[in-house]
Amino acid sequence: QVHLVQSGAEMKKPGASVKVSCKTSGYTFTSYDITWVRQATGQGLEWMGWMKPNSGDTKYPQKLQGRVTMTRNTSIGTAYMELSSLTSEDTGVYYCARNIRGDIWGQGTLVTVSS
Amino acid sequence: EIVLTQSPGTLSLSPGERATLSCRASQSINSIYLAWYQQKPGQTPRLLIFGASIRATGIPDRFSGSGSGTDFTLTISRLEPDDFAVYYCHQYDGSPYTFGQGTKLEIK
Repeated sequence: QVHLVQSGAEMKKPGASVKVSCKTSGYTFTSYDITWVRQATGQGLEWMGWMKPNSGDTKYPQKLQGRVTMTRNTSIGTAYMELSSLTSEDTGVYYCARNIRGDIWGQGTLVTVSS
Repeated sequence: EIVLTQSPGTLSLSPGERATLSCRASQSINSIYLAWYQQKPGQTPRLLIFGASIRATGIPDRFSGSGSGTDFTLTISRLEPDDFAVYYCHQYDGSPYTFGQGTKLEIK
């Protein structure tokens, strides 16, 4: 069975960085893209980008260019999303999902940015 | 950026009724790259439909998607109590990929 298990909740101060992990199992990690989506509390979904695990190629929205970095460790089937220069507007739940269309999702990671 | 506008914002219906949710794009989208998700409070989004009309694995056939170009529709033929949730459309044709603002389907 396919699972994506994310790292636990994070609390960060403004200006800091956060790195969220997404450990996959039940399928060949390098065969499917990984997408990251975030959701501010009570708000809608926002696409943060995708990564191709086999090549490491990434695509980010211009809005997050320079602040977001997606990486992976193929030996352990894990994807990472790092977001820097955090502000309160980055507070929310961060999701990884398999495939660009998001057929399987991680459970989400709450990131709280507060002084 | 392709803006997706969903209507109505909130839809109040009773179990057994038919629900029709709309998603309109600000420019034409290749229907291969249009998806619908369901999200219940406190839960992760669940893929319902991709390619505008293809049901994802395990999705009951009371859910159907249609449309092309700029107008897309999600139809739930006979609402069950478990279907009351927020529904999002999503395009992954043009970057940045975008989501609609959501339609809340509530029990009347």
